[in-house]
Amino acid sequence: GESVGLHLPTLSVQEGDNSIINCAYSNSASDYFIWYKQESGKGPQFIIDIRSNMDKRQGQRVTVLLNKTVKHLSLQIAATQPGDSAVYFCAENMGDDKIIFGKGTRLHILP
Amino acid sequence: DTGVSQDPRHKITKRGQNVTFRCDPISEHNRLYWYRQTLGQGPEFLTYFQNEAQLEKSRLLSDRFSAERPKGSFSTLEIQRTEQGDSAMYLCASSFEGASGNTIYFGEGSWLTVV
Repeated sequence: GESVGLHLPTLSVQEGDNSIINCAYSNSASDYFIWYKQESGKGPQFIIDIRSNMDKRQGQRVTVLLNKTVKHLSLQIAATQPGDSAVYFCAENMGDDKIIFGKGTRLHILP
Repeated sequence: DTGVSQDPRHKITKRGQNVTFRCDPISEHNRLYWYRQTLGQGPEFLTYFQNEAQLEKSRLLSDRFSAERPKGSFSTLEIQRTEQGDSAMYLCASSFEGASGNTIYFGEGSWLTVV
C-alpha cells in the first residue's frame, strides 16, 4: 500500500490568504520528500523538496515543514494567487530516486 | 524547450490494438521513469531505467506492457492488446544519477483512451 497520504482531498482558500496543505507518511526510514503541483491536463511540476535532516525549507512563497516525530509534512503557500489552483502531491523518495505519490489535495483559490 | 518531452500527447485507440508512447528525457539525465495516472489519483510507478538498463518493474506492469530504452536516451512504452482499464495518463520523468534525492522532472504526459 501507499506510504504517503494526504489529510484532505480539497482545500479552498481566499485569494491573498496563506494555504497549508498537510501530508502524513508511514515509512520512518524515508529521508527525502518532495512536493509537486499538478495543473489540469499537465504533468507534475516540482515545487520544493526537503531532506530528513532538515525541519524547514523555504522557497519563493512556499515553505515545507517536516516533523519526523509524528511523520508529518506540510506545504505552506503564502499570499495565494489564482495560479496556485492545482492539485498538490507530497511524494516520498524511496531511494534510487523512485518516487511514491499520495492521492493529492486539490487547492481552490476563491476570488 | 529542454524539458521531458512525450509523444503523442493524446491517443484514442480501439480495444485490442497496440499503442506505443515515446519519451525524450532531459538530455544529461541518465535515469528515466514511467508512471501511470488515472483521474483523481496520484501517479503510480511503473518502471525505471538507469541508462539502457531497466532496473525495476512494478507489479502494475503486466506482460502486455513493455518498456525499452535501447541507447540510454529516449524510451518507448508499448501496450499490447489494449484494454479499457489501460485508459490513463502515462507520465515519463527523468533525473540525473547522484545521491538519493535528485530532482525528478516530469513530462506533460500521454493521455490514452481505449474505446
